[in-house]
Amino acid sequence: KQEVTQIPAALSVPEGENLVLNCSFTDSAIYNLQWFRQDPGKGLTSLLLIQSSQREQTSGRLNASLDKSSGRSTLYIAASQPGDSATYLCAVSRVRHNFNKFYFGSGTKLNVKP
Amino acid sequence: DAGVIQSPRHEVTEMGQEVTLRCKPISGHDYLFWYRQTMMRGLELLIYFNNNVPIDDSGMPEDRFSAKMPNASFSTLKIQPSEPRDSAVYFCASSNGQGRADYGYTFGSGTRLTVV
Repeated sequence: KQEVTQIPAALSVPEGENLVLNCSFTDSAIYNLQWFRQDPGKGLTSLLLIQSSQREQTSGRLNASLDKSSGRSTLYIAASQPGDSATYLCAVSRVRHNFNKFYFGSGTKLNVKP
Repeated sequence: DAGVIQSPRHEVTEMGQEVTLRCKPISGHDYLFWYRQTMMRGLELLIYFNNNVPIDDSGMPEDRFSAKMPNASFSTLKIQPSEPRDSAVYFCASSNGQGRADYGYTFGSGTRLTVV
């Protein structure tokens, strides 16, 4: 069974810092990986989707990388802002059977202090 | 596009009552997913549909839970009878699979269920 782990569980940084969130998964046979943002009491907003054949995706200040062989992904946030404060979740999908079924990590709660 | 629409946003009910949660997926999406989120367990997949057909309901916790998708634009998740341990946020998500796994999920805003 695929297990997804996110480290750290919580992170507090001053505004302006660059930071890295980590995601690891036990089964490298994934089809794609998606990073989400969840604000308190809200739903999940998709940030980036990386196909298994890709190494990274970028959107604005966000950059996500994927290393399938080592079972790792990182989400890099440049020049963090207080508005980035939220919980960030990564999810991976299986490559065979239920291919569109995502497995979620428990998230990293980020607090960016002004 | 209005996104994935869930109703109600909040539901408070007494133990033993029937609860029905509703979801309208994004038009054209052929996959629909029901998730439950709690502090203890995080996000759990309950059931998912492909072209209105339930594919995998192994995550449904008990027979008290049932889900239907009568057409491509509507799905319900029903709990009968409800129990306090069912209190959680229930999310619906949809995806445009088209037989491929290139597409990610779009989530609704969730229904916060409290069973007292």
